[in-house]
Amino acid sequence: EPEVTQTPSHQVTQMGQEVILRCVPISNHLYFYWYRQILGQKVEFLVSFYNNEISEKSEIFDDQFSVERPDGSNFTLKIRSTKLEDSAMYFCASKGDRYTEAFFGQGTRLTVV
Amino acid sequence: KNEVEQSPQNLTAQEGEFITINCSYSVGISALHWLQQHPGGGIVSLFMLSSGKKKHGRLIATINIQEKHSSLHITASHPRDSAVYICAAVTTGNQFYFGTGTSLTVIP
Repeated sequence: EPEVTQTPSHQVTQMGQEVILRCVPISNHLYFYWYRQILGQKVEFLVSFYNNEISEKSEIFDDQFSVERPDGSNFTLKIRSTKLEDSAMYFCASKGDRYTEAFFGQGTRLTVV
Repeated sequence: KNEVEQSPQNLTAQEGEFITINCSYSVGISALHWLQQHPGGGIVSLFMLSSGKKKHGRLIATINIQEKHSSLHITASHPRDSAVYICAAVTTGNQFYFGTGTSLTVIP
């Protein structure tokens, strides 16, 4: 069964460092998403991406965050200068079209120290 | 302000019981998702609804667009159903709003 793959599964970074979280969506999917879940809290929407551009973003997705689909297969989330409060599980998801189920990756646990 | 409210927050049931989890939302939606999050953190999509009712095995999801309410039912619950169940409303602008989740424990 096709799946969304995220790497790494766990990343530890120093505060102020840049991190790139990687996702390989399902190959024929067109809609891509990043979410985060701070430990013990609810899942929060970060950004949706379609047709090589951001279609929606939340208040959390400020100038420190960016997304890219550099090569037609990977979908990346970059955090430019990490803060302690960026520590969370980050999930990527993809959809074939807007009105179908979303498939989620297993998540990347980011720990900022 | 929570655009999506779920109840109950926690639920413990005996194996075999019929379970209902409720979700109310305040935003205009194009669809509503029910998700399952396992203890390890992984998320699986159970249903996506824009109207009516869907059934998959022992799981049933319903939505009432006029009342802005959806329910997830589990018939003949089993310990392997123990997980966090999350409701997520998707706006026409393709933004997701998540509920806080319902933590379900099914006891043998």
